Amino acid sequence: DGGITQSPKYLFRKEGQNVTLSCEQNLNHDAMYWYRQDPGQGLRLIYYSQIVNDFQKGDIAEGYSVSREKKESFPLTVTSAQKNPTAFYLCASSIDSGMAGELFFGEGSRLTVL
Amino acid sequence: KQEVTQIPAALSVPEGENLVLNCSFTDSAIYNLQWFRQDPGKGLTSLLLIQSSQREQTSGRLNASLDKSSGRSTLYIAASQPGDSATYLCALSSGGSYIPTFGRGTSLIVHP
Repeated sequence: DGGITQSPKYLFRKEGQNVTLSCEQNLNHDAMYWYRQDPGQGLRLIYYSQIVNDFQKGDIAEGYSVSREKKESFPLTVTSAQKNPTAFYLCASSIDSGMAGELFFGEGSRLTVL
Repeated sequence: KQEVTQIPAALSVPEGENLVLNCSFTDSAIYNLQWFRQDPGKGLTSLLLIQSSQREQTSGRLNASLDKSSGRSTLYIAASQPGDSATYLCALSSGGSYIPTFGRGTSLIVHP
């Protein structure tokens, strides 16, 4: 079945460590997004990519990095520079951000800093 | 900048009630509006997508309407069931970048 796969589902990190969250989609979508969700808050955009080898910062990009080397993959690295990384991270994709198409989400990854 | 507000933040109703969830927005120049459902600890599941040129969309017991002139969308759930308990979020694509902006959601509990 087509969809978006995020891994790992749960991740624990010690302070000072970088961690990478995986996001893979087999929907043949051009656009991919990373959102952060905190309790009581809406989704906040971290990074987005409209096409392979191109990505743009969202509203809260500081302390995060991404790459888009393949159409189906958009990994997110949470660096040690991110001051409050404990959160629920959601990856999404749409067929083409220029068409404002339907947005599809993965199951999320919960990161906890110890 | 587009602002999206969902009221109420939480709602508790008895099973069988028809209910309406609200989503308001400040910039009416939207491309589309999407309603999602989120269960605890899970990702978002798309429920309905309304394009800018449309007034409403229906799927089973769900009906979503869009009124751009008043900056408002409503999600109508008929004959609510305990399985409808979840958080419901709306998201809009607007502005030149088409990037969706989300509301904070309405947490719904349907009790037997």
